[in-house]
Amino acid sequence: QSVLTQPPSASGTPGQRVTISCSGSSPNIGVNYVYWYQQLPGTAPKLLIYTNNQRPSGVPDRFSGSKSGPSASLAISGLRSEDEADYYCATWDDSLSGWVFGGGTKLTVL
Amino acid sequence: QLQLQEWGPGLVKPSETLSLTCTVSGGSISSSSYYWGWIRQPPGKGLEWIGSIYYSGSTYYNSSLKSRVTISVDTSKNQISLKLSSVTDADTAVYYCARHYAERETVFYAYYMDVWGKGTTVTVSS
Repeated sequence: QSVLTQPPSASGTPGQRVTISCSGSSPNIGVNYVYWYQQLPGTAPKLLIYTNNQRPSGVPDRFSGSKSGPSASLAISGLRSEDEADYYCATWDDSLSGWVFGGGTKLTVL
Repeated sequence: QLQLQEWGPGLVKPSETLSLTCTVSGGSISSSSYYWGWIRQPPGKGLEWIGSIYYSGSTYYNSSLKSRVTISVDTSKNQISLKLSSVTDADTAVYYCARHYAERETVFYAYYMDVWGKGTTVTVSS
């Protein structure tokens, strides 16, 4: 059971906008930054969003992050087939004194 | 370009100690802007942070694994190492090495994981 809750799956058609939620609580998302990682099949996770809503160099602006209270979300606009991957949210948990991840959301592009 | 490469035995027997090393190339491990960590992913499951280390040797561990984990650093070789003792089937996973980054020296939790190695698969089986 993950500390952060994500829907196990999400889907959309090319060109659509999809959002993936990440629900936490006061000791984690409520007071700390959220990070998002994309894991393409058979590869290592890649940083997609840092400090809630910042994109590393090279990440398309189709990807955006937001946070409100104990929850966060990742939005992907103009969905493309290459966006098919697993997406994980992560943050620091003050109660556990450790980094925690969501269970992951498998995005399917129909 | 920074690269992280994990390596070690791919098969470990139950009750024995898992030992992995991560070699960092293309950059120095000894910077106040970085911590270095281990994360694992069991087959078909999500990510779990194991622990992280600063070049000075300061460590942070996942409380659920702390009694079995030791992470060390060798700045002369630009490497960090992971030892996980008394392994069971539940420790079968892909093990990743990752860099934690912060713009300037600050508290550990402000250093986020920004660069990952490709991972190495470890199977626990007799």
